[in-house]
Amino acid sequence: NAGVTQTPKFQVLKTGQSMTLQCAQDMNHEYMSWYRQDPGMGLRLIHYSVGAGITDQGEVPNGYNVSRSTTEDFPLRLLSAAPSQTSVYFCASSRARGQSYGYTFGSGTRLTVV
Amino acid sequence: DAKTTQPPSMDCAEGRAANLPCNHSTISGNEYVYWYRQIHSQGPQYIIHGLKNNETNEMASLIITEDRKSSTLILPHATLRDTAVYYCTGWGNTPLVFGKGTRLSVIA
Repeated sequence: NAGVTQTPKFQVLKTGQSMTLQCAQDMNHEYMSWYRQDPGMGLRLIHYSVGAGITDQGEVPNGYNVSRSTTEDFPLRLLSAAPSQTSVYFCASSRARGQSYGYTFGSGTRLTVV
Repeated sequence: DAKTTQPPSMDCAEGRAANLPCNHSTISGNEYVYWYRQIHSQGPQYIIHGLKNNETNEMASLIITEDRKSSTLILPHATLRDTAVYYCTGWGNTPLVFGKGTRLSVIA
């Protein structure tokens, strides 16, 4: 099925560990973004990409790294996990700014750092 | 990029129209207004977007004021399944930046 696929769905990390959250889309979308959502809060933009090879920082980039080597994939790396990074992470993609349907979101990765 | 202001919560009777306001007074001329909703902890779902003109689709209508400083999302006949958090956001030079949204409760 076409859409945005995030893996894993759930993850528990120990403080200081590193890991990569995977995001893949099969809609040939140019724009991809990573958001985090803390309890009772809206979504905050971490990093985004406007095409393969191009990435930029969002509102809360510290502690995270991204790359965009292909159009389809946009992994998010946690360099050294901290309890403050406990959150739900959403990946999203879009064909282009202003196009119909805007962003398509994945189902999220629920991360707990202990 | 636009900063948006929305009421934190609203109630609506089932079957009635739900009108959700959003203030985006800092919006720039080329910035689209988007509305999304999030049910429970699922990924946000696109509803509608517009630039200057009012828009309508199968889910909702979007009314944008002439000065583009505010907009209203209208769900014409709210159902219990429309209970969700609704986000108004803008897309200018950077992708969508979300606020805390409005929690809409549809009451039977």
